[in-house]
Amino acid sequence: QLQLQESGPGLVKPSETLSLTCTVSGDSIRNGDYFWGWIRQPPGKGLEWIANVFYTGDTYSSPSFKSRVTISIDTSKTQFSLKLTSVTAADTAVYYCARLRRFADYVDSWGQGTLVTVSS
Amino acid sequence: QSALTQPPSASGSPGQSVTISCTGTSSDVGGYDFVSWYQQHSAKAPKLMIYEVNKRPSGVPDRFSGSKSGNTASLTVSGLQAEDEADYYCSSYAGNNNYVFGIGTKVTVL
Repeated sequence: QLQLQESGPGLVKPSETLSLTCTVSGDSIRNGDYFWGWIRQPPGKGLEWIANVFYTGDTYSSPSFKSRVTISIDTSKTQFSLKLTSVTAADTAVYYCARLRRFADYVDSWGQGTLVTVSS
Repeated sequence: QSALTQPPSASGSPGQSVTISCTGTSSDVGGYDFVSWYQQHSAKAPKLMIYEVNKRPSGVPDRFSGSKSGNTASLTVSGLQAEDEADYYCSSYAGNNNYVFGIGTKVTVL
């Protein structure tokens, strides 16, 4: 059974960098059928795709975040990570890590989500 | 890219059917058969209900069905049950390794 677990600070100051890590267990992070990604949900609002990474290190980011986001993967640690720079209050959200099926483009597994608040 | 358009709310009595629309453009919903639907109960992670327009993952009741016509996809929940009360989000592949979600629809079981 695949499990995804987000970790990272729950509070980030404005203009600083948000950093989150997702630990994968129960399936190989090198499974070529899947991307690993980050999706967020501001309080009371809808879902927003941020970025994906393949086990080879290939990355794909939403145009809405492209200049601020870095996604990376460490297969030896079975982890992938998100960095979002120059955060503002608008980046306050629950951040989910997720597994996306390649060539069918759906999320079949989600982490439990972690709330990140941007505030001084 | 713009979020896909969904009605903010939908409702039905137990046993009835409710259909939620998800409208995009020819660059996303209309251009690919990669529309998926997610159910989210409050404060929980979303759950996949439909993928590739009309396919159900194992374990999802056959009361849930999906379809697509042109730039609009739809999710129908037949035989509404109390546990179907949740937020529902559509999602579509939008080309160039890009994805877009809908704004969400709150389904209320009356």
